[in-house]
Amino acid sequence: QLQLQESGPGLVKPSDTLSLTCTVSGDSISSSRYYWGWIRQPPGKGLECIGNIYYSGSTFFNPSFKSRLDMSVDTSNNHFSLRLASVTAADTAVYYCARLIRSLEPGRRPSRFDPWGQGILVTVSS
Amino acid sequence: QSVLTQPPSMSAAPGQKVSISCSGSGSNIGKNFLSWYQQFPGTAPKLLIHDTNKRPSGVSDRFSGSKSGTVATLGITGLQTGDEAEYYCGIWDSDISAWIFGGGTKLTVL
Repeated sequence: QLQLQESGPGLVKPSDTLSLTCTVSGDSISSSRYYWGWIRQPPGKGLECIGNIYYSGSTFFNPSFKSRLDMSVDTSNNHFSLRLASVTAADTAVYYCARLIRSLEPGRRPSRFDPWGQGILVTVSS
Repeated sequence: QSVLTQPPSMSAAPGQKVSISCSGSGSNIGKNFLSWYQQFPGTAPKLLIHDTNKRPSGVSDRFSGSKSGTVATLGITGLQTGDEAEYYCGIWDSDISAWIFGGGTKLTVL
């Protein structure tokens, strides 16, 4: 059974870089069928997809984050990572990682996030 | 426009049916595959419906999905108090090549 687990610091200072890792167990991250994504949820607010990465390293970022976002994938250790630079209090949120499944239809566009990690609360504060 | 619009809240009595809408545009609902997620407080979202109207294994058949043009709908029949949750639609947007979520609908069963 596929499981995802987020890890990283729970407290980051303003203007620093937020770094998180998602470890995938139960399946290979190197499948052509999936992307791997980061979604966040500020306290009391809705879901926001930050970006997604393919096992080859190709990335698809939400335009709101492009200027300060980096993502990477480590196929040897079956994990992928997020780095968000120049954080402010507005970046305080629960950060989730999830598998993004590609459709089998022509074009093979992304279809759904399943499963999700349990989430990690990251607070930006001095 | 790369936005999905949901009603912020809905309510219905136990046993009733509710329909939650998700309005998009040609660049998302018009051409890609919509999914729905259920989230209880303090927990991660769970996939409820994918590819507009497909239920993953283990999801009750009280949940259904449909689409007309650029508006998708999540239907829940035989409402139970355990269905009280936040519901989100999500989809790939071809204009911005990114995934977007609706703002979420808080369902109250009273």
